[in-house]
Amino acid sequence: DQQVKQNSPSLSVQEGRISILNCDYTNSMFDYFLWYKKYPAEGPTFLISISSIKDKNEDGRFTVFLNKSAKHLSLHIVPSQPGDSAVCFCAASVYGKLTFGQGTILTVHP
Amino acid sequence: GAVVSQHPSRVICKSGTSVKIECRSLDFQATTMFWYRQFPKKSLMLMATSNEGSKATYEQGVEKDKFLINHASLTLSTLTVTSAHPEDSSFYICSARYTSYEQYFGPGTRLTVT
Repeated sequence: DQQVKQNSPSLSVQEGRISILNCDYTNSMFDYFLWYKKYPAEGPTFLISISSIKDKNEDGRFTVFLNKSAKHLSLHIVPSQPGDSAVCFCAASVYGKLTFGQGTILTVHP
Repeated sequence: GAVVSQHPSRVICKSGTSVKIECRSLDFQATTMFWYRQFPKKSLMLMATSNEGSKATYEQGVEKDKFLINHASLTLSTLTVTSAHPEDSSFYICSARYTSYEQYFGPGTRLTVT
């Protein structure tokens, strides 16, 4: 039972353009959502988060949108940079415990 | 951000032996730490929640007698994989809770059981 789903296994974007990563969830108890990036053989690095009581949070090049009625969130990165290339995971939290999506391999081409 | 370390970064052991992995929060105290495992090209799966001074709570399907967790201090949690088998080979990652919603992750430990 995959409670957090990232249906796109990969995304390829040109440098300078927008990257949009999507995530769907099923558990309405999730109260906080986070995005991480991860490189092979390393731990996840935090990107941005959003509380379930908000619909948008922006931090520099990163913006996360939350649509609670659709149980959907998205991460926008603009402008995308080659250094953003990584596996991007969305995660949802309930009682502080995280459930991760499968990840999307983001490749930003110079 | 806060720093979490793991040791060792990689370990190879023979089937039937036990392996201990340490997770340390270096610049903050963490009453709660989490242990995850990640199989190749898969997501991170929460194994257990480690609480300082009390027993760990395990997720469904995780054998508590096989994956022993000890959280003896506010900066250290250990995961011991007992009687390891090749199917236990995986990437184990810990995290330390910084605030109610923030967790900082360690760099992970690659376990290979031969």
